[in-house]
Amino acid sequence: QVQLRESGPGLVKPSQTLSLTCTVSGGFISSAHHQWTWVRQRPGQGLEWIGYISYDGETFYTPSLQSRLLISADESANQFSLTLRSVTAHDTAVYYCARDFRGTVPPHGLDVWGQGIPVTVSS
Amino acid sequence: EIVLTQSPGTLSVSPGERAALSCRASETVFGNYVAWYQQKPGQAPRLLIYGASTRAAGIPDRFSGRGAGTQFTLIINRLEPDDFALYYCQHYSSSPPWTFGQGSKVEIK
Repeated sequence: QVQLRESGPGLVKPSQTLSLTCTVSGGFISSAHHQWTWVRQRPGQGLEWIGYISYDGETFYTPSLQSRLLISADESANQFSLTLRSVTAHDTAVYYCARDFRGTVPPHGLDVWGQGIPVTVSS
Repeated sequence: EIVLTQSPGTLSVSPGERAALSCRASETVFGNYVAWYQQKPGQAPRLLIYGASTRAAGIPDRFSGRGAGTQFTLIINRLEPDDFALYYCQHYSSSPPWTFGQGSKVEIK
């Protein structure tokens, strides 16, 4: 079965760039009908959908982060990544990667999640 | 962007009773592509329901979803201690962003 695992720094300084990676095991990021998604959760807050990269390279970012965000994929490593520039304390959150499988009707939604990685933005 | 509003914010229920959580969308959700997730403290969310009413793999039949258009409901029958948690709805239809509701907490009465 597909499993996801986030990795990256737990602490980033304000104005710097946050880079996180999600490693996929038990499946391939190039598998048809898959959208590889990032979700975050600020302390004490709800879930915030950030964006995705699909199996064919299509990306979509939530409008509030679009100007600072890049989601990319590395098929050879079976990983996808999040890069968020110019971070502030407002970006402090637990970041989750998740799989959105669209190969059925109805699609499954976010059916596989990583365990989450806490990121603090602080000097 | 579709806005999802969940209610109530907190629901106090006794074990063995029934809980009903509402999720209202600001516009019609195409295909009724609404999912429900459960989240416990310190854990990642878990998919419960997709397509408004289909249970995800391994989810007990005490959990059910219904609704269409702009109004969706998650029903939890015969609440067990493990069910006291946060619940989120999400739409994933038509155009992204595929937003979440703000969450509803089910607590022990």
